[in-house]
Amino acid sequence: AQTVTQSQPEMSVQEAETVTLSCTYDTSESDYYLFWYKQPPSRQMILVIRQEAYKQQNATENRFSVNFQKAAKSFSLKISDSQLGDAAMYFCAYINNAGNMLTFGGGTRLMVKP
Amino acid sequence: GAVVSQHPSRVICKSGTSVKIECRSLDFQATTMFWYRQFPKQSLMLMATSNEGSKATYEQGVEKDKFLINHASLTLSTLTVTSAHPEDSSFYICSARYGFHLGEAFFGQGTRLTVV
Repeated sequence: AQTVTQSQPEMSVQEAETVTLSCTYDTSESDYYLFWYKQPPSRQMILVIRQEAYKQQNATENRFSVNFQKAAKSFSLKISDSQLGDAAMYFCAYINNAGNMLTFGGGTRLMVKP
Repeated sequence: GAVVSQHPSRVICKSGTSVKIECRSLDFQATTMFWYRQFPKQSLMLMATSNEGSKATYEQGVEKDKFLINHASLTLSTLTVTSAHPEDSSFYICSARYGFHLGEAFFGQGTRLTVV
């Protein structure tokens, strides 16, 4: 079974600085997708960034970028120039290529200090 | 992005009654829908996966007879909590995806169920 692990229950960052959230996963598949989702207090899940496993290039979306290490099964999220609105729960997620299994990590609560 | 609408957002029901939660994909056909349960300050726990027109696949430990899932059409899936008890109180979230479009799943707003 696929598992996703986020080893940091909570992280804190000063506004305008950079923070990295960690995620590791376990799978025997070669093709899959990885995601970072943000869950603000409203609890609406918002997609932050996605990475296709077959792509070697790390995904980037404005201030958000990932460090995808396929061999190490690691998928960290870097948030640059942190903003107060970035404060939320962040979940790392894995979906297999068949699309019938979407698994989440335990989450990391990010706090942004003004 | 695609829109998934989940209804109701909040529901309070009496112990022993049943409650239905709807999940609709508004602007796409959802080949697969997922139902999650989320306890306070915890992650999303996958309850079941459903494909249109077929029976849902339940995760280990999830009671099929208690949590009835119907994916009757490509735009609608329902979760019915039968004979609800206070321990069923939780936040339930659905998500939907279509084909293999970038692998992404789109989420509903969630439903807070309180059983009294």
